[in-house]
Amino acid sequence: DQQVKQNSPSLSVQEGRISILNCDYTNSMFDYFLWYKKYPAEGPTFLISISSIKDKNEDGRFTVFLNKSAKHLSLHIVPSQPGDSAVYFCAASAFGTGTASKLTFGTGTRLQVTL
Amino acid sequence: DSGVTQTPKHLITATGQRVTLRCSPRSGDLSVYWYQQSLDQGLQFLIQYYNGEERAKGNILERFSAQQFPDLHSELNLSSLELGDSALYFCASSAHETSGEQFFGPGTRLTVL
Repeated sequence: DQQVKQNSPSLSVQEGRISILNCDYTNSMFDYFLWYKKYPAEGPTFLISISSIKDKNEDGRFTVFLNKSAKHLSLHIVPSQPGDSAVYFCAASAFGTGTASKLTFGTGTRLQVTL
Repeated sequence: DSGVTQTPKHLITATGQRVTLRCSPRSGDLSVYWYQQSLDQGLQFLIQYYNGEERAKGNILERFSAQQFPDLHSELNLSSLELGDSALYFCASSAHETSGEQFFGPGTRLTVL
């Protein structure tokens, strides 16, 4: 039962353009969402998060949008840079249920930013 | 560098054997989490310890066990290993008992032959 889904295994974007990575979830108890970035041979690195009380959170070139009614979130990277090439994981947790410590991850989207 | 260290980086062993993976959290972090990433899968939460006590359990097999020691480092013990246990095992840490933002180590790649 995949509660967090990233339906695009890969995405290729030109340098300078916008990268949009999508994530869908099925568990309505999820109330906190995160994006992690992972380079080969390294552990995931926290990128940005959003609480369910917000619909947008911005940090520099990275913006996360949350649509609770659609159970959908997206990560926008503008402008995309070659160093952004990595695997991006969407993750979710449920603070309200007392199980906040458990992050449920999607399967990841491999982003390639081309010159 | 997240500040979380894991040893060893790679481990190759045979079916039926037992291995121990070690994790040292970031300085000051009290929570340690273990995750398993199999091929083409997302990270699966296994277990969490907070200040030495088990706090949350995920899809951890009975053949697997973990503990957190007084110095806050943690060990994940995998026994009666099967081919399907081959995976990347990540440790993460956070300052508090419940924290969405977790800091991950580089992982241990386990290969069971």
